[in-house]
Amino acid sequence: AQRVTQPEKLLSVFKGAPVELKCNYSYSGSPELFWYVQYSRQRLQLLLRHISRESIKGFTADLNKGETSFHLKKPFAQEEDSAMYYCALTAGGTSYGKLTFGQGTILTVHP
Amino acid sequence: KAGVTQTPRYLIKTRGQQVTLSCSPISGHRSVSWYQQTPGQGLQFLFEYFSETQRNKGNFPGRFSGRQFSNSRSEMNVSTLELGDSALYLCASSLGSRAEQYFGPGTRLTVT
Repeated sequence: AQRVTQPEKLLSVFKGAPVELKCNYSYSGSPELFWYVQYSRQRLQLLLRHISRESIKGFTADLNKGETSFHLKKPFAQEEDSAMYYCALTAGGTSYGKLTFGQGTILTVHP
Repeated sequence: KAGVTQTPRYLIKTRGQQVTLSCSPISGHRSVSWYQQTPGQGLQFLFEYFSETQRNKGNFPGRFSGRQFSNSRSEMNVSTLELGDSALYLCASSLGSRAEQYFGPGTRLTVT
């Protein structure tokens, strides 16, 4: 069975500071990993996925298979980054359409 | 393209009743997944439908069921409601099983 762990429920930083949201996973196969974000009063939306290797809104995430981690990073946090962030994994095989989510991290960026 | 829509947005039901929630996916998306979101358990996978077939199911009792129509619209049904079924129910659509999922706004179900 797969599992996603986000060790920090709350994370506070000041504007302009670097931010890192941690995500660790357990899965024996090759997972697809995602970061989703939910801004206040908005629906859950995809931020980025590991295979695209894109930088979205200044965020990047690198899959580290050795450490089974997929941490989300941004060098300079902005107030508009304040939101709930979820790390999610989808497995291969017969795990059709199933995303396994972490418990989420609430990021607050102070002015 | 229009996003994923869910109706109704809010529901209040009484214990023992049943409820049906509806989800319309993004045009062209044939996969629809359902999730339950609660403060205690977070986001949990209910089931996934693709081309009218349920391909995957999470660890929920048989009171939770769903279906998908030929136009990819999906419904989920919860029978014999319990207080613990109070939650936000999200549906998400995608092009395929490992593709990114696009979420609807959710249906907030309150069971009294």
